Amino acid sequence: EAGVAQSPRYKIIEKRQSVAFWCNPISGHATLYWYQQILGQGPKLLIQFQNNGVVDDSQLPKDRFSAERLKGVDSTLKIQPAKLEDSAVYLCASSLEGGRTDTQYFGPGTRLTVL
Amino acid sequence: SQQGEEDPQALSIQEGENATMNCSYKTSINNLQWYRQNSGRGLVHLILIRSNEREKHSGRLRVTLDTSKKSSSLLITASRAADTASYFCATDPETGFQKLVFGTGTRLLVSP
Repeated sequence: EAGVAQSPRYKIIEKRQSVAFWCNPISGHATLYWYQQILGQGPKLLIQFQNNGVVDDSQLPKDRFSAERLKGVDSTLKIQPAKLEDSAVYLCASSLEGGRTDTQYFGPGTRLTVL
Repeated sequence: SQQGEEDPQALSIQEGENATMNCSYKTSINNLQWYRQNSGRGLVHLILIRSNEREKHSGRLRVTLDTSKKSSSLLITASRAADTASYFCATDPETGFQKLVFGTGTRLLVSP
């Protein structure tokens, strides 16, 4: 089966610019996650969707980050305006139902560099 | 914030040797999972152990969990060069929705 797709793979922007990342989860997966992984650290959950509703966005910096999942399928994560500390890999993952033992499948990530 | 902390931060071994990495965490959990991350295949789920389990095996992987010490270990037996990667533990805290909280990772280098 096709995996989680993300685009773009790389993005370089200057601080205060805006950027958007796209994710297409595995077909039929109800739960979608966005993680931020800073170099040398483990991924940190930013937001979790169940279908097109937000389950957890407690660690999303809402003053500059936003995310949506229209029609419960694809999702977009936006940063506006970007700061230097936003340089990281942004990972999208999906799971079948978000159950406690469900496996999360990760996409290849988007590497963001903010200059 | 990171829930787990892996130890060691980096590990270098020869092919055929065993690799052991440890994870400590802070709060009560539903389960603990181990993931592998390399440049070729990204972040991949390896194994899940529930809070009421003490040991689990999958191929060359052996995971133990000690909830009284809030710690887990991952053993990779007969390591191969292809095992070179970063390994992360991820905990699902007991409260709230399913939510993976990743540790800081162990970088494993297996030399031929």
